[in-house]
Amino acid sequence: GENVEQHPSTLSVQEGDSAVIKCTYSDSASNYFPWYKQELGKRPQLIIDIRSNVGEKKDQRIAVTLNKTAKHFSLHITETQPEDSAVYFCAAGSSNTGKLIFGQGTTLQVKP
Amino acid sequence: EAGVAQSPRYKIIEKRQSVAFWCNPISGHATLYWYQQILGQGPKLLIQFQNNGVVDDSQLPKDRFSAERLKGVDSTLKIQPAKLEDSAVYLCASSPSGKSYEQYFGPGTRLTVT
Repeated sequence: GENVEQHPSTLSVQEGDSAVIKCTYSDSASNYFPWYKQELGKRPQLIIDIRSNVGEKKDQRIAVTLNKTAKHFSLHITETQPEDSAVYFCAAGSSNTGKLIFGQGTTLQVKP
Repeated sequence: EAGVAQSPRYKIIEKRQSVAFWCNPISGHATLYWYQQILGQGPKLLIQFQNNGVVDDSQLPKDRFSAERLKGVDSTLKIQPAKLEDSAVYLCASSPSGKSYEQYFGPGTRLTVT
């Protein structure tokens, strides 16, 4: 069935360093790839997304890249800050139906 | 703009009991989703509504789970009877018409089955 693999499961970086989280998906029909940030005990919040007709998108310190041929996409956070510490989820799905398959999550810890 | 509301926030029940969760989506949002998030995993879609009709319930364990969205606004998700493996956070999300991909999540209901 449809599947999204996310790596690494945990990531620890020093404040100011960059962090990269990678995901691969199985459904070649997927055309929408959002990233969610979930702080402990809080709701998932959309931080950035990318459509299949775009290879890269940037919003301040975060960026997402997409390689449709290889079916993988990545989240890049530069100049990390302690408030970036959270669980990050990637997802892949359809912008038409809204159906999303989520990855297993990456726990990011930014050490001051 | 008020966000997605859910209640209760926490629920503890014994196995074989029944439980119901309630969700009020963002006003005007046509699409509503229920997800199950087991500790340490990503959200898993249980059911998707478009107004008051079911779009996708392929991953809903229909022998014990049921959901409805009467009048195309609020929704309830019920589990009867509950099993230990149903312990999870149940998240409701909604999205506006024409933007089904833009999902806004509620705070979730944390269910513990003992």
